[in-house]
Order: sequence, then C-alpha cells, then structure tokens
Amino acid sequence: DAKTTQPNSMESNEEEPVHLPCNHSTISGTDYIHWYRQLPSQGPEYVIHGLTSNVNNRMASLAIAEDRKSSTLILHRATLRDAAVYYCILIKTSYDKVIFGPGTSLSVIP
Amino acid sequence: DSGVTQTPKHLITATGQRVTLRCSPRSGDLSVYWYQQSLDQGLQFLIQYYNGEERAKGNILERFSAQQFPDLHSELNLSSLELGDSALYFCASSLGVQRQKGGNEQFFGPGTRLTVL
Repeated sequence: DAKTTQPNSMESNEEEPVHLPCNHSTISGTDYIHWYRQLPSQGPEYVIHGLTSNVNNRMASLAIAEDRKSSTLILHRATLRDAAVYYCILIKTSYDKVIFGPGTSLSVIP
Repeated sequence: DSGVTQTPKHLITATGQRVTLRCSPRSGDLSVYWYQQSLDQGLQFLIQYYNGEERAKGNILERFSAQQFPDLHSELNLSSLELGDSALYFCASSLGVQRQKGGNEQFFGPGTRLTVL
C-alpha cells in the first residue's frame, strides 16, 4: 500500500505563507492526492485534492511534483484558525481504500 | 456543520461489553466511512459502505462490525470491548465511491468518544 510521510510539526507566523510538504514515493498512477485538516476537538475537513496538475481553491493551493512523488499544500496567508493537524492522503481509486498519513501539526504564531 | 450526525457524543462502558455507534450521512450521500482515532494509532480507516454494500475494509478488528441500512444511516458495532478500544470514532460520508472523479470529498461528523473502563 502506498504511504505518505509528513513532518510531525511546523510553525508559521500569522499572515505569512505556509508550505506543508508530503512525500508519497510509492504512489501509483491512479492515486489522487487529498489533503484534510483537523482542528482541535473536531472531525477532519476536506481541504483540496489533485492528480497531476496544480490545483487552487478558496482554502489553499496544491502543488504536485512532476514525478508525483511529493506534493505541497500551500496556505497563502496563515491565520490563527489554520492551526490544525494537516493530513496528506492517497485515495486508491482502484481499491477504494483510504490511507491516512501521520499528519503535520501546524502552529500559527500571532 | 458538515451535515453528518453521530450519536451518542460520549459513551462510557466496561470491558467485555458491546456498544453500537450510529451515523446519519449528509442528505444525498451514498457512501459512509468509519474511522478510529486513538492517541497512539492516529486516524485509522475501518470500513466503507456504499448504498448498503460493503466497499472497502481497513484495519477493522473481527470484534467490530458495521452495516448500512436502506435509509443510508450506518451503525458500527463494537463487541467484547477492551481498554485499547477507547478512542474517538468518526463517521464520514461522501456522494459516491472513491473511484468517481478521483475521490469524492468526505464530510466528517463530530465523532463519538468511547471510553472503556
């Protein structure tokens, strides 16, 4: 099964951009890369997903390496509300199995 | 509010007992997923149902079982409970199976906190 690896924790100053990396060197051709985040005392919430091309939405941007072995979630201006655990997930479209990475705990410093 | 509801919010029980956790998906969602989150294991996928049928299994113990009913709500049954089963149990729902459009966005409920004493 393809797995992801992420740094355990990261810090960012408020209103500065944040780049959260994820490695998935064993990704297969049909795996989509999803990002979720979990705020304290809440269930995870969807952030963004992509396959090969970079993706943007109102919450964040997703930059995917050309070889797809890594990706980066970009928060353009971190706010205190962005302090959460960020999970990088591979969705195996062929088997419908969901494998969560260890997650990165993001702290935002005022 | 994700639109996914889970009951009960908290559950305290003893070892050896059996409990049932309930999940109501968002209106229109056909897939339901169950996850377990404990301090030492992180967020673990347990099982997925789509329109009443089991679609995928993760790290679900044999003591655990689940089903999805015709009205699409789902129940997770945990039996012969052990201290190590204490965890947060999340339910999530999505429109359809993951193979559609690269994986549908999952909407998570607030979770059920299970404490086994």
